[in-house]
Amino acid sequence: EAGVTQFPSHSVIEKGQTVTLRCDPISGHDNLYWYRRVMGKEIKFLLHFVKESKQDESGMPNNRFLAERTGGTYSTLKVQPAELEDSGVYFCASSQDLGYEQYFGPGTRLTVT
Amino acid sequence: DAKTTQPTSMDCAEGRAANLPCNHSTISGNEYVYWYRQIHSQGPQYIIHGLKNNETNEMASLIITEDRKSSTLILPHATLRDTAVYYCIVRVGNSGAGSYQLTFGKGTKLSVIP
Repeated sequence: EAGVTQFPSHSVIEKGQTVTLRCDPISGHDNLYWYRRVMGKEIKFLLHFVKESKQDESGMPNNRFLAERTGGTYSTLKVQPAELEDSGVYFCASSQDLGYEQYFGPGTRLTVT
Repeated sequence: DAKTTQPTSMDCAEGRAANLPCNHSTISGNEYVYWYRQIHSQGPQYIIHGLKNNETNEMASLIITEDRKSSTLILPHATLRDTAVYYCIVRVGNSGAGSYQLTFGKGTKLSVIP
């Protein structure tokens, strides 16, 4: 069974540009989560999808971040426009059901210059 | 979610048991104890979780005190590949109430020494 996959593994963009990160959850997992770790900080929750609906987006830092999960399969996280403080590692996780253990992908390392 | 307290770092000799403690004195009755680890530059990896009974799987054992205010993760025979940051997290289960996000603290950096 394939695990959670994320693309790209690394992205380098300039301040003001747009970047879109993609996450493919484990097949059959309705729950999808985004987290991130910015430099020197702890891993922080961003949002949680149940199928295509946003269950909890309390961790989204501002309106420059837009997450979508059309069709309830893969998800994208768009940052527009990117700022220097957005640099970090963005993780995606999925779980089979609410409250079940979450399985993480390898992360996307975003560098904004 | 309840706050957890873990030692900043620990060392363990290769082949010996690694015992990682966690305090969660304000845990609620419907909150589970989860353990994850992050090996350098990889995504967090689920290890084990429990509510009040001790649990064991192929990776580790979880011992939860009777009052549920603390727990210990045990890696029975630590290897060099177990060197990682270990996170103890308390979170609601599948009761349908509360947030399902994982709240990561600073964790314990475990170094397995040859």
